[in-house]
Amino acid sequence: NAGVTQTPKFQVLKTGQSMTLQCAQDMNHNSMYWYRQDPGMGLRLIYYSASEGTTDKGEVPNGYNVSRLNKREFSLRLESAAPSQTSVYFCASSDSRVLEQFFGPGTRLTVL
Amino acid sequence: RKEVEQDPGPFNVPEGATVAFNCTYSNSASQSFFWYRQDCRKEPKLLMSVYSSGNEDGRFTAQLNRASQYISLLIRDSKLSDSATYLCVVEGYKLSFGAGTTVTVRA
Repeated sequence: NAGVTQTPKFQVLKTGQSMTLQCAQDMNHNSMYWYRQDPGMGLRLIYYSASEGTTDKGEVPNGYNVSRLNKREFSLRLESAAPSQTSVYFCASSDSRVLEQFFGPGTRLTVL
Repeated sequence: RKEVEQDPGPFNVPEGATVAFNCTYSNSASQSFFWYRQDCRKEPKLLMSVYSSGNEDGRFTAQLNRASQYISLLIRDSKLSDSATYLCVVEGYKLSFGAGTTVTVRA
C-alpha cells in the first residue's frame, strides 16, 4: 500500500517550458488535490477533484491545468513555466466522507 | 488578513520541556480544526483533530477557543523527535493551512 505517490521528485525547467506532474493514490479515495508550498506561506490549493470526472479551481489556478485521468490519478500541467512557479508541489487525497488528507512526498520544481 | 495565522517561531526548547503555541483563524463559521506535522523536506501528516471540548493524544493536547477564534497545541515532555513544523488547518468552506510553527527540541 504505497498511499500517494508523485513523480518526479525534482525538476528544473527553463522559462517557457512545459511539464506534467503525476500523482496516483491507491486508497480508493474520491477526492484529490494539488497544492503548492512556498516559504512563509501555507499550502495553497491550486486545483482539486471531488470525484472522478470533475475538477475545480482552487485559490491559485492561473498557469496550471489538471486532468483527473481516473479514480487513481490526478495530473498537474504547467503549459509555459514561469519563475513564479518555483515551489514545492504536493498532491493529496481524501475520502470524501472524512476530512483527513493524505499527502504525497512532493515535487521540488525550479524554474529558471 | 490571512485566513489562518501562526507564529512561525522557531520555538527552541530543551528535551523534557513543555512548549505551547497558538493559531488564529478569521472565519468564525469554521467547523473543523486540525494540527498537521511536517518534517523538514517531507510531506504534511495529520497529527490530531481538534474538538470543541479539547483533546489529548499522549503528550499532545489541543484546545479550541471559538470565542477568540484560536486553537492551541501543547507538547509535554518534549522529545528530540518532536522537532518539526506544526501546521494549523481550519475548515470553513475549504481547508486553509497556516504557514506553520517550527519547533526545535535540543538535547
